[in-house]
Order: sequence, then structure tokens, then C-alpha cells
Amino acid sequence: AQSVTQLGSHVSVSEGALVLLRCNYSSSVPPYLFWYVQYPNQGLQLLLKYTSAATLVKGINGFEAEFKKSETSFHLTKPSAHMSDAAEYFCAVSVGNNDMRFGAGTRLTVKP
Amino acid sequence: DTEVTQTPKHLVMGMTNKKSLKCEQHMGHRAMYWYKQKAKKPPELMFVYSYEKLSINESVPSRFSPECPNSSLLNLHLHALQPEDSALYLCASSQPRDNLYNEQFFGPGTRLTVL
Repeated sequence: AQSVTQLGSHVSVSEGALVLLRCNYSSSVPPYLFWYVQYPNQGLQLLLKYTSAATLVKGINGFEAEFKKSETSFHLTKPSAHMSDAAEYFCAVSVGNNDMRFGAGTRLTVKP
Repeated sequence: DTEVTQTPKHLVMGMTNKKSLKCEQHMGHRAMYWYKQKAKKPPELMFVYSYEKLSINESVPSRFSPECPNSSLLNLHLHALQPEDSALYLCASSQPRDNLYNEQFFGPGTRLTVL
């Protein structure tokens, strides 16, 4: 069964530092992968998605993710963290038939 | 219009009450979803409607009753809930596509508290 695992339930970075949020997938077929962000008391917003068109995917708010089949990874990065990036981040995989499975989430804290 | 709206934003109800959550989208999506999210946890899928028909029910207790009156609306009827049902209830929509990516658009959620 397809699934995703997020390594690290909490990541803390300083403002201006590199953000790296880790996601590994398990899939026997080419996966369709997503990163969503959730700000406090809000719904989920799509940051970016991988659909096999390109391995490096650029998203909103300066985020990008690279699909690495050899490592079964889809890590999310941003070169320079802003205070406004503090939120919960979810990696997800589409398993077809309108079903999507989410990772456990990573809470990003940005220190001034 | 790329928005999913949900009402109410907050709801407090007793265990004997009957209430409904509402969700609406005008993006022409034909799949709609209900998720339950507890604090510091990922969303848990409850129900999926595809072309106004219930296609997935993740063994949700019968005190939660979904309804899809048309392609734009999705309701969740609540009756005899328990305090552990308190959570953020999220609605989402997408284009249904078998074996292809289906980006889901989420509403802001309804914060439900059961007393």
C-alpha cells in the first residue's frame, strides 16, 4: 500500500536559515506526491505537487521539493526561512480513486 | 472561484443535539470529502462522494451522516455525538481521476466542540 513517512515531528530553524522537511514514500507504482501547509486554525493549502513531469518541483512561497526515486524521497526545502513560514506541513500521496494519505506532519518553528 | 467554503466556523453542541455542517464549492469538482482532524494530527478521511454518490466510508460511526444534495454541496449531519468527537472537520473537493493525481482543495474547517 502506498504511504508517506515524515521524519521529524518538529523542526526549528532561525529566520533566514535553510528549511528542510523530510518525506519518504512507499509505493510500488509511480507515486503522485503533495506537500500541504496548515496555518493555525485553518484548512490545508497546497504548496506543490509531483506528477512525474519534472523531478524538481517549485511551489508557492519560495518552497520547492525534489523527487528522488533512488532514495524514495520528496523532501521540501526553502533557502531562507521567514517568520510567516511557521506552520504545520503535511506530505501526502494520492493512492487513486479519490483517496489521499497524509504523513503525520512536521511542525516548523522559525526563531527570530 | 477556487474556494471551498464551510459553515459554521465554530460549533458547540451537547451530546443530545442534532446539528449539520455545510460545505460548498463552485469549481466544478465532482469529488468531495469529509475529514476529521484532531490537534497535532493529520486529517483522517471520513467520507468521499464521487459524482454525488458515496464512494468511500472509512467505517465512521453512524452518528455521523453525510449527504451530497448536488455537485456543489456537501453536508455532514451530526447526532448524539460524544466528547471525543470534538475536532476540526475539514471539507475538500477535487476532480475525480482514477490512477492520476487528484489535487484536493480544502475549506477552512469547522471547529466542533461536544460538551
